[in-house]
Parts: sequence; C-alpha cells; structure tokens
Amino acid sequence: GNSVTQMEGPVTLSEEAFLTINCTYTATGYPSLFWYVQYPGEGLQLLLKATKADDKGSNKGFEATYRKETTSFHLEKGSVQVSDSAVYFCALSRPPNFGNEKLTFGTGTRLTIIP
Amino acid sequence: DAGVIQSPRHEVTEMGQEVTLRCKPISGHDYLFWYRQTMMRGLELLIYFNNNVPIDDSGMPEDRFSAKMPNASFSTLKIQPSEPRDSAVYFCASSLGLRSPYNEQFFGPGTRLTVL
Repeated sequence: GNSVTQMEGPVTLSEEAFLTINCTYTATGYPSLFWYVQYPGEGLQLLLKATKADDKGSNKGFEATYRKETTSFHLEKGSVQVSDSAVYFCALSRPPNFGNEKLTFGTGTRLTIIP
Repeated sequence: DAGVIQSPRHEVTEMGQEVTLRCKPISGHDYLFWYRQTMMRGLELLIYFNNNVPIDDSGMPEDRFSAKMPNASFSTLKIQPSEPRDSAVYFCASSLGLRSPYNEQFFGPGTRLTVL
C-alpha cells in the first residue's frame, strides 16, 4: 500500500537558517505529492504540491521537487522566519486513474524557529 | 467562502457521555473526511463520504463511533459512550475529489475534545 515517511522532529532552527525536511514515499505508479502546514491551533492547509516527476512545487519561499528516482519530495526553504514555526506534513494521493480522493499523510515534523 | 466550519471548537465531557461533533463542508465539495489527531498516533483518517454516502469507514476505531451525512452541507461524528482515550483534536475536511486536478483537501479548524 501507499506510505509516507517523514523526518523525525522536532526541528529547531535559528531565524534565517536553511531548512530541509525530508520526505520519502512508497506508492505504485505516479502519485501526486503534497506538503501541508498546520499552524498552532489551526487545521492543516496546503502549502505546495507536485503532480508529476521533476515538477517543483513552491509557495511562500518553500520548495519541493518530485524525485521519482529517489521517491522523495523534500521540503526546503532558504531563510526561515519565526512565522514558519508550525507542523509540516508530507502527503500523497494515488494517480487520478486509480482514484485519488484519499490522502496518505506522514507523521508530521514540528518546526520551531527561534529569533 | 467561509471555508469548512466545525462546531464546537472545544468540548469537555465526562466519560460515558455522548458527544456530537458537527461539520459544514465547503459548498460544492462532494467529498467529506473526518480525521483524528493525537500526539501518539498522529493524523488518522476515520471515515470519508462521497455525495453523502460513506465510502470507507475502516478507520473508525470502534462501534462507539458513528458518522452521518444527511445532506451535502452537514455531517456529524458521534461518540457514544465517550472514553478518556477518545480525547483528541477531530478535523473535518472537504474536497472536490476527482473533479480537482490536485486533489486539495480543505481542513476545518478542528474540535478539541477532552473526555474526563
């Protein structure tokens, strides 16, 4: 079945540091890949997405590239801010021709940025 | 658009009591999902509906849990009787499902349930 493995947290960085949160997946075919973010006291919201190999998703300075050869979708940001403190979830859905209404989530990585 | 609406935002109850959580999905979305989030188990999918019909309830932990969707704009998740281990944040999410090329799910703010 499908699965997502995320880097264990928590992760603590200083402001303006470089961020990488690792995510690898197991799935048949070409799933769509997502990063969701959960700010304190809120629900999850979509941060970025990629739907085919070599696609790069980007939003709010965050980027992730769909790597089919390494089955990875690592999240990166060049200079983090205190406001980026949140829990980040990697997720996948099956390809559209298999029915992609469900998402498989990773366990989440808690990120704390200190000034 | 108001987004996904959940009520109540916080619920504190005593063991053995019935608890009902409510969700209003985004208008036009035909998929609705109920999730539970705890520190120990992370984010778990409990059940999801398509056009008001339950499609997969394999994540519902026990018979004490039940979910309904009587119409396209309302769903409930009921726990009867509640137990302390049911304490968690319960999220509702909705999506366009296969009508969306990206399959984005939109989450509500969650209901924080505490069972004493």
